Amino acid sequence: AQSVTQPDIHITVSEGASLELRCNYSYGATPYLFWYVQSPGQGLQLLLKYFSGDTLVQGIKGFEAEFKRSQSSFNLRKPSVHWSDAAEYFCAVDGGSGGGADGLTFGKGTHLIIQP
Amino acid sequence: DTEVTQTPKHLVMGMTNKKSLKCEQHMGHRAMYWYKQKAKKPPELMFVYSYEKLSINESVPSRFSPECPNSSLLNLHLHALQPEDSALYLCASSQRTTSLTDTQYFGPGTRLTVL
Repeated sequence: AQSVTQPDIHITVSEGASLELRCNYSYGATPYLFWYVQSPGQGLQLLLKYFSGDTLVQGIKGFEAEFKRSQSSFNLRKPSVHWSDAAEYFCAVDGGSGGGADGLTFGKGTHLIIQP
Repeated sequence: DTEVTQTPKHLVMGMTNKKSLKCEQHMGHRAMYWYKQKAKKPPELMFVYSYEKLSINESVPSRFSPECPNSSLLNLHLHALQPEDSALYLCASSQRTTSLTDTQYFGPGTRLTVL
């Protein structure tokens, strides 16, 4: 079965500094990978996704992620964080057959704290 | 427009009550999902509807009963819940294409408290 690991439960970054959130997946075939962000008490907003092709994908709010098959990773990056980026970030993999048929499997999330 | 709406935003119910959560999308999506999210945990899949038919039930207790009246609406009927069922219930929808490039869009959730 597919799984996603986010090794960092909490990350603290100073405003204006760069950010990298780690995500490792376990999946036998080509994974379909997503990053979502969740503000407290809110739903999930899609930041970006990877299905195939270019391994560097651009998302909303200045985020990007790089798919590295050799490292089974899909890390999220942002060159300069803003206080409004403070939130919970989830990496997710589409289960099995793609097309959303099996729902998403989420990592445990990384809580991002922004220091002024 | 990628909006999924959910009502109510908050719900408090007793263990003997019957209530329903509603989810709606007007994006023409043909797959809809219910997830349950406990505090400080990731969302967990409960049900998947594909073309208005239940395709996945992740061993959810029968006190949760999903319903998909049409392609735009998804309900979750609640009966005889337990306090441990208190959580944020998230609805999502996706186009359900055959190209394997489906993306799920989430609603804001219903915060459920069971007393």
